[in-house]
Amino acid sequence: DIQMTQSPSTLSASVGDRVTITCRASQMISSWLAWYQQKPGKAPKLLIYKASSLESGVPSRFSGSGSGTEFTLTISSLQPDDFATYYCQHYNTYSRTFGQGTKVEIK
Amino acid sequence: EVYLLESGGGLVQPGGSLRLSCAASGFTFNTYAMGWVRQAPGKGLEWVSSITYTGTDIVYADSVKGRLTMSRDNSKYTVYLQMNSLRADDTAVYYCARIGSISANFDYWGQGTLVTVSS
Repeated sequence: DIQMTQSPSTLSASVGDRVTITCRASQMISSWLAWYQQKPGKAPKLLIYKASSLESGVPSRFSGSGSGTEFTLTISSLQPDDFATYYCQHYNTYSRTFGQGTKVEIK
Repeated sequence: EVYLLESGGGLVQPGGSLRLSCAASGFTFNTYAMGWVRQAPGKGLEWVSSITYTGTDIVYADSVKGRLTMSRDNSKYTVYLQMNSLRADDTAVYYCARIGSISANFDYWGQGTLVTVSS
């Protein structure tokens, strides 16, 4: 089974900061990676799919990159609404696997 | 507007059964794959199952294979999750989600329904 590992687990940042979250796959997954944002008590929200494609309606300050086994989610200028937990997720025809999550906190 | 509403959660004893439903509206249901994702209290997201738009192909996480069964009724715009032989580690909020036709990922989610397995 493919394992997804995110780092860091927690990140403290200030409004306006550039933030980068890393996700590593235990084996090659091409570009089959998505990123989600989740706020407490709410359902997750799709941000990025196929490693770098921005979901409709998602602000352009969010971007994704990578392929193979290493991927990043970047928030170019952190906004108050962005404090949340972020999950990467590998997907293919047969299964989906989430990373353990990265909580972005207010510094 | 796309809307997904889960129901059927509650308290059940270990070894018991429960059926979750997810009623969809606001889109052409029979053209979208659907999935279930769960989240144990204070923990991360775990994919549970996905079903194609026809219902002919269904895949499951290893942790639920043989105990949970996903199905859909396109005439009722509803997906189901039949949960048997429930264990304490099945305790979670269960989310129903639509799989986007372009993104191939969960682009719309319900609000979730809590399943608690405890004696």
